[in-house]
Amino acid sequence: DVKVTQSSRYLVKRTGEKVFLECVQDMDHENMFWYRQDPGLGLRLIYFSYDVKMKEKGDIPEGYSVSREKKERFSLILESASTNQTSMYLCASSFGGPRNTIYFGEGSWLTVV
Amino acid sequence: QKEVEQNSGPLSVPEGAIASLNCTYSDRGSQSFFWYRQYSGKSPELIMSIYSNGDKEDGRFTAQLNKASQYVSLLIRDSQPSDSATYLCAVINTGTASKLTFGTGTRLQVTL
Repeated sequence: DVKVTQSSRYLVKRTGEKVFLECVQDMDHENMFWYRQDPGLGLRLIYFSYDVKMKEKGDIPEGYSVSREKKERFSLILESASTNQTSMYLCASSFGGPRNTIYFGEGSWLTVV
Repeated sequence: QKEVEQNSGPLSVPEGAIASLNCTYSDRGSQSFFWYRQYSGKSPELIMSIYSNGDKEDGRFTAQLNKASQYVSLLIRDSQPSDSATYLCAVINTGTASKLTFGTGTRLQVTL
């Protein structure tokens, strides 16, 4: 079974803090993704990585950065957390190609106060 | 912005009935379509993928794709209370490699 692990499930951070969300996949997938999910807005892509050290902006990259130093690990960084970044964050991975299935981690619930 | 649209619901069906969930998409060149199920507080899990026009069946689930009309649907036969969840339609748009664009989901309630 594919396993995508998000190490932090529930976090509460203060405005202005730097926040790291970590994601690890164990299937040697090429692609990794970070989405956020908000009520009424659905899932929105923040960043996408198709290889180590390679990244591409998604639909809502402002206020976020990412790091992919190893193939299995993809980190989402909030440089200075703000209350409007309170959300559920979902990491996902896939082998790649237009017919390829994307698998999700369990999600990280972030509250910024 | 290439969009995927779903009725937010809730769609309420009695136990044992057929639930029909619909999705339309704006990118005529899209080739890959997916249905995910998401329980409250959980992450999405894949139910079906479909790539060609027509029907694809897997157990109680049938996905239907009509590229000319730009819609994809999911039928759930013999609906069970455990099917109560939000169903997300997702599309890989033209030229976007493996990136999925999601609809906002339809909430399904199966009543006893």
